[in-house]
Amino acid sequence: DAMVIQNPRYQVTQFGKPVTLSCSQTLNHNVMYWYQQKSSQAPKLLFHYYDKDFNNEADTPDNFQSRRPNTSFCFLDIRSPGLGDAAMYLCATSTRSEQETQYFGPGTRLLVL
Amino acid sequence: KQEVTQIPAALSVPEGENLVLNCSFTDSAIYNLQWFRQDPGKGLTSLLLIQSSQREQTSGRLNASLDKSSGRSTLYIAASQPGDSATYLCAVTPTDKLIFGTGTRLQVFP
Repeated sequence: DAMVIQNPRYQVTQFGKPVTLSCSQTLNHNVMYWYQQKSSQAPKLLFHYYDKDFNNEADTPDNFQSRRPNTSFCFLDIRSPGLGDAAMYLCATSTRSEQETQYFGPGTRLLVL
Repeated sequence: KQEVTQIPAALSVPEGENLVLNCSFTDSAIYNLQWFRQDPGKGLTSLLLIQSSQREQTSGRLNASLDKSSGRSTLYIAASQPGDSATYLCAVTPTDKLIFGTGTRLQVFP
């Protein structure tokens, strides 16, 4: 089945130690999104790619970076995780059309010690 | 700036009840509105998508309505079951991005 896959499902890192989260998709969608969701809060868009075009949200901290080496894969890099970065990180994909739904992966739960 | 509000924040009902979840948004210029389900510690599952030109969508026991002019949507769940227990999020698409509400946490007890 076509799907959005995130690895790992759970990630524990130390304060200040760089971490990379991975997302892959078999849907061949043009657009890939990264969201941060803290406990009992709505998902917050960090950035997204239209094909190779990177679109950063204005309030996304510089500590968060992303790479999309090809259509199928997208990575979220947190350069120096702080305690406030502990959250669920959700990857989603969609076609280029604004009228189509986004398909979400299962998420990666990040814990910062 | 688009804001999405969901009421109530939490709801606990006995099995078998019909229930309504509410979503309101401040800017009617949207492409569509979606309802998602999120189980604890999991990702989001799309339930229903209503295009801006539509008034409602149905899937099984779920029915979602959209009134763009008043900035409101409702999700109706018929004959609720314990397996419906989850957080339900609505989201609008003003551009190519989703703007989410904070969700309604639903518990259906036997």
